[in-house]
Amino acid sequence: AQKVTQAQTEISVVEKEDVTLDCVYETRDTTYYLFWYKQPPSGELVFLIRRNSFDEQNEISGRYSWNFQKSTSSFNFTITASQVVDSAVYFCALSEAQRNWGKFQFGAGTQVVVTP
Amino acid sequence: ETGVTQTPRHLVMGMTNKKSLKCEQHLGHNAMYWYKQSAKKPLELMFVYNFKEQTENNSVPSRFSPECPNSSHLFLHLHTLQPEDSALYLCASSQGVISGGNSEAFFGQGTRLTVV
Repeated sequence: AQKVTQAQTEISVVEKEDVTLDCVYETRDTTYYLFWYKQPPSGELVFLIRRNSFDEQNEISGRYSWNFQKSTSSFNFTITASQVVDSAVYFCALSEAQRNWGKFQFGAGTQVVVTP
Repeated sequence: ETGVTQTPRHLVMGMTNKKSLKCEQHLGHNAMYWYKQSAKKPLELMFVYNFKEQTENNSVPSRFSPECPNSSHLFLHLHTLQPEDSALYLCASSQGVISGGNSEAFFGQGTRLTVV
């Protein structure tokens, strides 16, 4: 069973629009870690954020913000005032501290296309 | 050099060839990973090494053979591959468990493999 679901395959926006990427996860561990990565056309996955299961505070970093809702098992990512350089595939990932230690389980990714 | 470096960036090989992919990390990490990224599929974890010991083999066919001579280097030896093995192969490293948690993974730019 897929542990991380990114239901949106592709999102297209015009520059300066906001875009929200959904991530829903599934785990029975009480301690786990959630991540977001960006994969530009060059191929390298760039780490954006790490969040542990005990910290439900939302986080903002520049134009990026993350909304962690344990009650709905979601860890959504919003890009505010999108720019062309934000065009990439974005992956949500889960790492469980007990059952699957050391494995990063990725969602299928969401392709974001920002046009000028 | 810093970060995670993979060579070669591109590789074309015949089904009877033997080749190796190389990954090197300069981050002082203890865990290293091989992932396979095929078109239209989520990232698939192949192998995990912790302190040079293999801790995960995710049902990978024997035509893929990993080697981890030290904590900084990881190889993926390839032989008698099939066309469906064509994909982007990504190497990653992480600190492993730190302070009771799973640290984020840092990725290389990948090797784009084409099997003809």
